[in-house]
Amino acid sequence: DSGVTQTPKHLITATGQRVTLRCSPRSGDLSVYWYQQSLDQGLQFLIQYYNGEERAKGNILERFSAQQFPDLHSELNLSSLELGDSALYFCASSVEAGHSYEQYFGPGTRLTVT
Amino acid sequence: AQTVTQSQPEMSVQEAETVTLSCTYDTSESDYYLFWYKQPPSRQMILVIRQEAYKQQNATENRFSVNFQKAAKSFSLKISDSQLGDAAMYFCAYRGLYTGTASKLTFGTGTRLQVTL
Repeated sequence: DSGVTQTPKHLITATGQRVTLRCSPRSGDLSVYWYQQSLDQGLQFLIQYYNGEERAKGNILERFSAQQFPDLHSELNLSSLELGDSALYFCASSVEAGHSYEQYFGPGTRLTVT
Repeated sequence: AQTVTQSQPEMSVQEAETVTLSCTYDTSESDYYLFWYKQPPSRQMILVIRQEAYKQQNATENRFSVNFQKAAKSFSLKISDSQLGDAAMYFCAYRGLYTGTASKLTFGTGTRLQVTL
């Protein structure tokens, strides 16, 4: 158990819908990352938040957005869903201090768009 | 941009034997981190080992060790005394030293390891 929690574990929804994925980082970790794992794109970085502020953006679609709340949990919002958005979405957290830069992953949310 | 290449889509090893998974990367940075992650059938991403580029000594974690060749930009993972529980997809990952976009992990395409009796 990495200490990172993600809900829900599975999500099945229809095209055009909107969903919210939730992540709680490990205790003490200020940084949250979102990654997408799909068969055709592999593991790709989407976005990073650090202590409530957006720190870096990767290959995140405009239909997707995220935020990190004062209690440091994060949510990834996916809207106008398409079949190609079906993937495993991971959240990872990190201390980002000193020489501790490991990212610890949550169990992921499997999104299926039908 | 940094890239990570894993040229072995699949590998197989017998139980109790040793196997080496290859990884090469491309970067213009002098300081960075490298990681190996394991993804078993449960799909959980598990950190196996990490290496800081400024350290010459190769990292070791129990039966897992790396061969880090900075000049060659090579970072292989050796698994000794392989066990059935080692069967998984293994991802090599790169992380820059500084914050911002450098904080992200850049992953290779993975190597699927099978462990046979």
